[in-house]
Amino acid sequence: NAGVTQTPKFQVLKTGQSMTLQCAQDMNHNSMYWYRQDPGMGLRLIYYSASEGTTDKGEVPNGYNVSRLNKREFSLRLESAAPSQTSVYFCASSEPLDPYNQPQHFGDGTRLSIL
Amino acid sequence: AQTVTQSQPEMSVQEAETVTLSCTYDTSESDYYLFWYKQPPSRQMILVIRQEAYKQQNATENRFSVNFQKAAKSFSLKISDSQLGDAAMYFCACSNNAGNMLTFGGGTRLMVKP
Repeated sequence: NAGVTQTPKFQVLKTGQSMTLQCAQDMNHNSMYWYRQDPGMGLRLIYYSASEGTTDKGEVPNGYNVSRLNKREFSLRLESAAPSQTSVYFCASSEPLDPYNQPQHFGDGTRLSIL
Repeated sequence: AQTVTQSQPEMSVQEAETVTLSCTYDTSESDYYLFWYKQPPSRQMILVIRQEAYKQQNATENRFSVNFQKAAKSFSLKISDSQLGDAAMYFCACSNNAGNMLTFGGGTRLMVKP
């Protein structure tokens, strides 16, 4: 039972390069999320997708784009990476109609460094 | 909008002792959910305990329990009989009624001394 799978686990980019982080879940959840976690801080929501075909901005969306490819997959794209985007990125999924019994399940994170 | 504040950046506890981690929150939602997540060095986010805001009874999960004070907007986590494996970052989080907006606190690093 894989849960939420993120690829890659680590990546180093140069300033200005582009990159897509991939996320897939096998729990048939309708909602998916992208967070970033900076050192010593909690997770902050970048974008989320309440259901297939919809996406919405979270707290810190600037510099990112997302695509909900299908119900399983939700990708995060950095078009022109900046050092301020160095962070650990987490993908999560949930069944929003039952947030108590099915709270968000997280992937293992992608550590992204931008030089 | 929701905010979650964890005022203790670090806490330390002796093995087998009890420790309480503090969390306060603010939300405009009439109904919401509160969670504690554990993040060990492996970076996994592991759900520890959850609480529905409309339930007055405090949630418990084995050695973990919460003290939920709705009027004070306080949601503290008590860990009893602390074990070395409890050492991790602990994050308090608040979810809106729809469950699609989860706001995290800044975290508390818990160290467990043998």
